Amino acid sequence: QMYLVESGGGVVQPGGSLRLSCAAAGFRFTNYGMHWVRQAPGKGLEWVAAISDNAKSQAMIDAVKGRFTISRDNVRNTLYLQMDSLKSEDSAVYYCAKEYGPFDACDIWGQGTMVTVSS
Amino acid sequence: EIVLTQSPDFQSMTPKEKVTITCRASQSIGSKLHWYQQKPHQSPKLLIKDASQSFSGVPSRFSGSGSGTDFTLTINGLEAEDAATYFCQQSRSLPFTFGQGTKLEI
Repeated sequence: QMYLVESGGGVVQPGGSLRLSCAAAGFRFTNYGMHWVRQAPGKGLEWVAAISDNAKSQAMIDAVKGRFTISRDNVRNTLYLQMDSLKSEDSAVYYCAKEYGPFDACDIWGQGTMVTVSS
Repeated sequence: EIVLTQSPDFQSMTPKEKVTITCRASQSIGSKLHWYQQKPHQSPKLLIKDASQSFSGVPSRFSGSGSGTDFTLTINGLEAEDAATYFCQQSRSLPFTFGQGTKLEI
């Protein structure tokens, strides 16, 4: 069975940092690109970032460029999102998701981890 | 950035009815349009990929159609368990974007 488990969320002050992790199991992690999607309380889904299977390509929304870094460890089967200079508008549930294929849908999602940026 | 606009934002239905949710893209995305279902306090689940391909395990009452800029998700024979918010997403170009969501009440 394929699954993803996020961790690392919490409460942080504006300007602070957090690193989210997403542990993958049940599939060949090295074969798939991975994504982060967030959802602010009561709001819709917002695609945040993606990384290719071999980590050579990354992409992210303008709102987090220069502050967030997406990476992966294909030995540990783990996806990361390093979040620096956090703002209140970054508060959300962060989901990691596996892509079905390049430039395709996300077929497996984690349960999400909550990030709250507040003083 | 490609903007996806869903309609309606909210729909109240009764069991066994048919509902259609639309998603319009601000520019052509071919068939790179996907549909997700999200129930309260759960993560999204993939229903339809590439506009019309049903994902594994999804009940046959869910179907998708469209190409270019206009897409639809249809649920035939609504069941109480279909109460959820439905999102479309495009993967034609980065950044991948989502529609604002359609909340379906049964």
